Amino acid sequence: GENVEQHPSTLSVQEGDSAVIKCTYSDSASNYFPWYKQELGKRPQLIIDIRSNVGEKKDQRIAVTLNKTAKHFSLHITETQPEDSAVYFCAAMNFGNEKLTFGTGTRLTIIP
Amino acid sequence: DTGVSQNPRHKITKRGQNVTFRCDPISEHNRLYWYRQTLGQGPEFLTYFQNEAQLEKSRLLSDRFSAERPKGSFSTLEIQRTEQGDSAMYLCASSFSGRAQYFGPGTRLTVL
Repeated sequence: GENVEQHPSTLSVQEGDSAVIKCTYSDSASNYFPWYKQELGKRPQLIIDIRSNVGEKKDQRIAVTLNKTAKHFSLHITETQPEDSAVYFCAAMNFGNEKLTFGTGTRLTIIP
Repeated sequence: DTGVSQNPRHKITKRGQNVTFRCDPISEHNRLYWYRQTLGQGPEFLTYFQNEAQLEKSRLLSDRFSAERPKGSFSTLEIQRTEQGDSAMYLCASSFSGRAQYFGPGTRLTVL
């Protein structure tokens, strides 16, 4: 089955700086890669996703890049703000089996 | 609120008791998923439905677990003879035909 590794497990950045979280996946059949943000006690919230036919996608301060050959994808947050503090999860899925496999999460702390 | 809803939000039970959780998906979504999340980990897939048909079940879903979606709308997840190892957050998500999965707030189960 699919295995997703996520690094780092914790990340602290100064407010206004950029944050990068990286994930690798094992199943070359995976073709959909979402990122979720989860605040303490809240639901995982979809913040951005990318399909395997696209190399990069951007939404305001958030961007995701995908390297299918290397089987890794990354989340980039620019101009970080205190409200970006949360746990971020990457995930991978093959639309044929509908099962999201999640990474172990990155706890992002923005230092004011 | 037109998002995914789950009830109850919290459930405390004694070992050996049966519990049932309910999930109401986003109304136009035909796919419904159950995941389990333990502290410090990403959600783990349990099972999913397309309309009323249960199409895949994880090996995590032992014989004590059963899920239904009788009319293709809301779903229930029942755990029989609960064990302390069942303590977790049970998350429901829904999607429309291969698009993004949106999560509910979860039901936190504590087995004493």
